[in-house]
Order: sequence, then structure tokens, then C-alpha cells
Amino acid sequence: AQKVTQAQTEISVVEKEDVTLDCVYETRDTTYYLFWYKQPPSGELVFLIRRNSFDEQNEISGRYSWNFQKSTSSFNFTITASQVVDSAVYFCALSEADYGQNFVFGPGTRLSVLP
Amino acid sequence: AAGVIQSPRHLIKEKRETATLKCYPIPRHDTVYWYQQGPGQDPQFLISFYEKMQSDKGSIPDRFSAQQFSDYHSELNMSSLELGDSALYFCASSFSVGGRRRTEAFFGQGTRLTVV
Repeated sequence: AQKVTQAQTEISVVEKEDVTLDCVYETRDTTYYLFWYKQPPSGELVFLIRRNSFDEQNEISGRYSWNFQKSTSSFNFTITASQVVDSAVYFCALSEADYGQNFVFGPGTRLSVLP
Repeated sequence: AAGVIQSPRHLIKEKRETATLKCYPIPRHDTVYWYQQGPGQDPQFLISFYEKMQSDKGSIPDRFSAQQFSDYHSELNMSSLELGDSALYFCASSFSVGGRRRTEAFFGQGTRLTVV
């Protein structure tokens, strides 16, 4: 069975602080995809990143970076120099590679960035 | 760029009524997924379609049904609505080859259903 755990239910930081959102996953598959989605207060789900299980390179996109550690089944997300607009619920998700038709989402982490 | 379009954006229904939610995928995307997100919950997979055939089924109640049409749009039909059906319903689409997803799944903005 697949499972995604986001142990941090809520995080509050002050603007310009760095923050890391944790994601731990479970799967029996050797090939799978990991995702991060952002859900701002307006409700839509915004795709941030997809990473396949064979690519353990860390990725940086502007203020966002992701650390994929297959050995610990973790796919953590760091926001550098956080901004108020980063306030949202962030979901980590897992799907089987290619054959999988659906995603398993983690419970989400609500990030509040205070001015 | 064109995104996934869901309609309506908001819907209010009474208990025991029916509702139909529509999803128009990104052009050339052939796979559609439906998710239900209750208040304070993560999205839960309901059902998906690939090339107009049901490809996977999750926790979709028997009172709900869905289909994908020849133009690849999809409709989620919900009958005998209950208060607990109040949620945000997301549709997502992706492009697959031979049933294997080849792109990220892009989500629509969701339909907020309120059952009173």
C-alpha cells in the first residue's frame, strides 16, 4: 500500500525565514513519482514539482528546493527567504510510475508566513 | 496556456438532490481524474478515465457515477446528495501513452459543492 506522511500539520514563520516541509512516503514499488502541490487560500491545486524514483538529484527553482533521499523515503521541500504569498497548504503526493492512474496525497502542511 | 476547466465553480444543492460536475481537460490530454477534498482534508481519489474508459476507481460512493465523453470532457454525477458530500471536487488531466501517464496531472480550480 502507498502512504504519504507529512508530520507537520501547521508551521508559522516570519517573512524571510527559511522553512522546510517534511514528506515521508511508503511504497512497495521500485518505480514511482513524487509530487508537491501548493493550495493557496483560493483553493486551487498548483503543481510545483514531479520527481521520479530514479532521479535523486536535488532540485532548485528560485526560492524553492527539494531534497529527495531514497534511503530514508523522504522528499522534503524548502522555501528560502519565505514571503507572505507562500502562505498556503502544501501537499506531498505519490503515484506509481506510468501505470498508476491516481495520486495518494499526504495530509498537507499549512504554512503561514507572517509579515 | 489552456488549463483544466471545471464548471460550475460553486454549487449549492439540497439533501437528496442531484448534481452534475463537469471537467474539460487540457487539449490533447486523454486521462481525467476526479478527487474529493473535504474541509481540512487532503484530496481523495474518486475515479479516473483513460480514452473514455474507466481506468481506476477509488473511494467513489455508489451514489456517484462518472463518464468521459468522445471529446474527452468528463462529468461526475452525484445523486441522493448528503450533507457529507459537501466538499471541493477537483478534476485533473494528463496525457498518457498506452495507459501510461507521460505528463504531470494538472488540476482544475475545483468545484465547491455545498449540500444544505
